[in-house]
Amino acid sequence: GAVVSQHPSWVICKSGTSVKIECRSLDFQATTMFWYRQFPKQSLMLMATSNEGSKATYEQGVEKDKFLINHASLTLSTLTVTSAHPEDSSFYICSAKQGADTGELFFGEGSRLTVL
Amino acid sequence: GQNIDQPTEMTATEGAIVQINCTYQTSGFNGLFWYQQHAGEAPTFLSYNVLDGLEEKGRFSSFLSRSKGYSYLLLKELQMKDSASYLCASMDSNYQLIWGAGTKLIIKP
Repeated sequence: GAVVSQHPSWVICKSGTSVKIECRSLDFQATTMFWYRQFPKQSLMLMATSNEGSKATYEQGVEKDKFLINHASLTLSTLTVTSAHPEDSSFYICSAKQGADTGELFFGEGSRLTVL
Repeated sequence: GQNIDQPTEMTATEGAIVQINCTYQTSGFNGLFWYQQHAGEAPTFLSYNVLDGLEEKGRFSSFLSRSKGYSYLLLKELQMKDSASYLCASMDSNYQLIWGAGTKLIIKP
């Protein structure tokens, strides 16, 4: 199947700093990418939908100024957690759709963020 | 509203068979997905059903009944490595996935 790579896998940062997480589709063009966060023992929570060349669509309750999403190309989307705080510590996962209407999502490996 | 229901936790014995049920209510329907997620890892795709019936793929099978808004994932010959969370997700008319909370499957020797 298609491969989605996420980087970094682990990141520890100090409170108040910003962290960027990259999501790349390695062997296909992803017109749409999704960003999720997942707290321990909880299900995936969709944060935003990212379409190449346009602004991301954020889910209700997700601060767009805090979680900056950029989808500059068909193979790369980035999530920047600005002014991170300990409550932002979570598992962040991206996924990508290969076509506009195809169903299957391909997930990145996930990035575990710990804010001290 | 849109809603996905699946059991929170199930326990089964190694070598046995287990069925994980999922009921869904979404605005439009474009398919039902099952994903497996081990603790601390990203989900991996298991199956996709858009037509009624049973799809078999090795030890795993998935069933869909669109009229009942119901699906199940059937796992046969359970192995210890099958201990994971199993996520049911329905795709709505906008091709967005609506996720269930996941079923934690515990396999005992």
